[in-house]
Amino acid sequence: KNEVEQSPQNLTAQEGEFITINCSYSVGISALHWLQQHPGGGIVSLFMLSSGKKKHGRLIATINIQEKHSSLHITASHPRDSAVYICAVSGNQFYFGTGTSLTVIP
Amino acid sequence: GAGVSQSPRYKVAKRGQDVALRCDPISGHVSLFWYQQALGQGPEFLTYFQNEAQLDKSGLPSDRFFAERPEGSVSTLKIQRTQQEDSAVYLCASRPNNRDSRQFFGPGTRLTVL
Repeated sequence: KNEVEQSPQNLTAQEGEFITINCSYSVGISALHWLQQHPGGGIVSLFMLSSGKKKHGRLIATINIQEKHSSLHITASHPRDSAVYICAVSGNQFYFGTGTSLTVIP
Repeated sequence: GAGVSQSPRYKVAKRGQDVALRCDPISGHVSLFWYQQALGQGPEFLTYFQNEAQLDKSGLPSDRFFAERPEGSVSTLKIQRTQQEDSAVYLCASRPNNRDSRQFFGPGTRLTVL
């Protein structure tokens, strides 16, 4: 049973493309997190949100509490955006999705 | 400021060997979490401390796994009699307090059991 589901699992895009990664969850949460993990690297927190929308540079995260769904958008993608993007939710515990592996080709 | 640090970054163990993984959380952070991340998977919760108290250890896969945080700061995850299925990245994260959901992750320790 997966409390957090992400799609797609793998994504390849051309540099400059607009990218969307989706996350659905089934548990009650206090917040939803988008995390970035580079190969061999640690996890970096990109966003924490509990409602609405947040923007940081070329990254935008939205959440719909009623539908238990969140999206992470990357505008004007760049090869340095290549990483695994993980959706996680915090409630009683911290539940992680399995991640979306993004490769941006120059 | 200093983030969460973990040591060692890489550990190779022979099957049956005991290992100890260390986590130094951000100073002053109340909560500390341990996660296990198998290759190609998202992290899985292992255990959680609030100060020195281990409030949840439901994710520990077997009694070979033991974690402690005796003074409410540094934590050690110990795995006894390691098995090949223990091979994974072990992530530590700290959280400022219960009102703040943000977790700050360490770089992880990659454990390989031969």
